Amino acid sequence: DVKVTQSSRYLVKRTGEKVFLECVQDMDHENMFWYRQDPGLGLRLIYFSYDVKMKEKGDIPEGYSVSREKKERFSLILESASTNQTSMYLCASSPRPRENWYEQFFGPGTRLTVL
Amino acid sequence: QQPVQSPQAVILREGEDAVINCSSSKALYSVHWYRQKHGEAPVFLMILLKGGEQKGHDKISASFNEKKQQSSLYLTASQLSYSGTYFCGTGNLDSNYQLIWGAGTKLIIKP
Repeated sequence: DVKVTQSSRYLVKRTGEKVFLECVQDMDHENMFWYRQDPGLGLRLIYFSYDVKMKEKGDIPEGYSVSREKKERFSLILESASTNQTSMYLCASSPRPRENWYEQFFGPGTRLTVL
Repeated sequence: QQPVQSPQAVILREGEDAVINCSSSKALYSVHWYRQKHGEAPVFLMILLKGGEQKGHDKISASFNEKKQQSSLYLTASQLSYSGTYFCGTGNLDSNYQLIWGAGTKLIIKP
């Protein structure tokens, strides 16, 4: 079974803190994604990585950065957390670079609250 | 640009049928369907590709109308386990690594 794990299920941070969300997949997938999920808006892509050290901006990259130093790990960084970044964050992975007709495997999500 | 899903929510009795639609304003190459149960990760249901056939497994099937740029998900004789939020993700050849996701359709099945 493909497993995508995320470092925390729930996280509470203060405004201005630096926040790290970690995602690890065990299926040697090339593609990894970070999404933000808000009610009524569906899934919105923050960043995408198709290889180690490679990243591309998604629809809503402002206020976020990412790091992919190893193939299995993709980190999302909030440099200075703000209350409007309170949300559910989902990580996903899929095989084969740059092709969108493969299944994406999702992690359980991290519910981040910024106070 | 986000595909439009309809209805936004639907409540059914066990055994009834449901249809969930996903419409895009852009030409589609692929449509992906996922189900997310409360508090869980989205789980893949199926992918439909341009030029492909209607797909299905068990009592869940989907169609892809390229001309209308829409896909429909059919749930037949719904079971309690079908409850959840259904998302469609659409893929275009000019953004070949990204899916654009609909806002979701919440399906509640009552006994």
